[in-house]
Amino acid sequence: QVQLVQSGAEVKKPGASVRIFCKASGYTFTSYYVHWVRRAPGQGLEWVGIINPNGGRTSYAQKFQARVTMTRDTSTSTVYMDLSSLTSEDTAVYYCARDPLGASELDYWGQGTLVTVSS
Amino acid sequence: QSALTQPASVSGSPGQSITISCTGTRNDVGRYDYVSWYQQHPGKVPKLLIFDVSKWPSGASYRFSGSKSGYTASLTISGLQTDDEADYYCSSYTGDGTTIFGGGTKLTVL
Repeated sequence: QVQLVQSGAEVKKPGASVRIFCKASGYTFTSYYVHWVRRAPGQGLEWVGIINPNGGRTSYAQKFQARVTMTRDTSTSTVYMDLSSLTSEDTAVYYCARDPLGASELDYWGQGTLVTVSS
Repeated sequence: QSALTQPASVSGSPGQSITISCTGTRNDVGRYDYVSWYQQHPGKVPKLLIFDVSKWPSGASYRFSGSKSGYTASLTISGLQTDDEADYYCSSYTGDGTTIFGGGTKLTVL
């Protein structure tokens, strides 16, 4: 069965960086795009970016362009998201989700990773 | 880019039908038939309800239906059930690999 398993919760200080991973199984890893989406406390879903595991091409929301990097490792079917220069506003649950065409059809989601940024 | 516009809240009684709107621009909802809808219960993972404006993913409930006219997409829930009480989000493709979400709508089943 399709599974996206994310890394565990993180606590970071302001100004630090965080790396979250999303390990896929149950399907052909390179046949589906992977999005990253976050939900901050009291807020709605916010799109962060997307990676095409087949080739590694990425697109990021303008808001995160300068400080987010998404990569993948096809040998382990894992996608990584690095977010730098963290502030308290980055405190959120981060989700990965797969998409067959990269056109906003997020059909399977990871369980979410809570990132807390606090001094 | 601003989020797609959704009503903050809607409500209905069991058995009724309700509709949630999602308004974008000519650069997203108005240009592409790649609008999706998601349901998220508190503390849970979002669940895909509708994709490509009006298509159902495998295993989805047909009580949820989608449509689009111009810059506005809509999600209709028929035969409201208490378990439908949740947050609902629309999303749209915006070109060049990017996606945008709506601000979310809280559905209360009275």
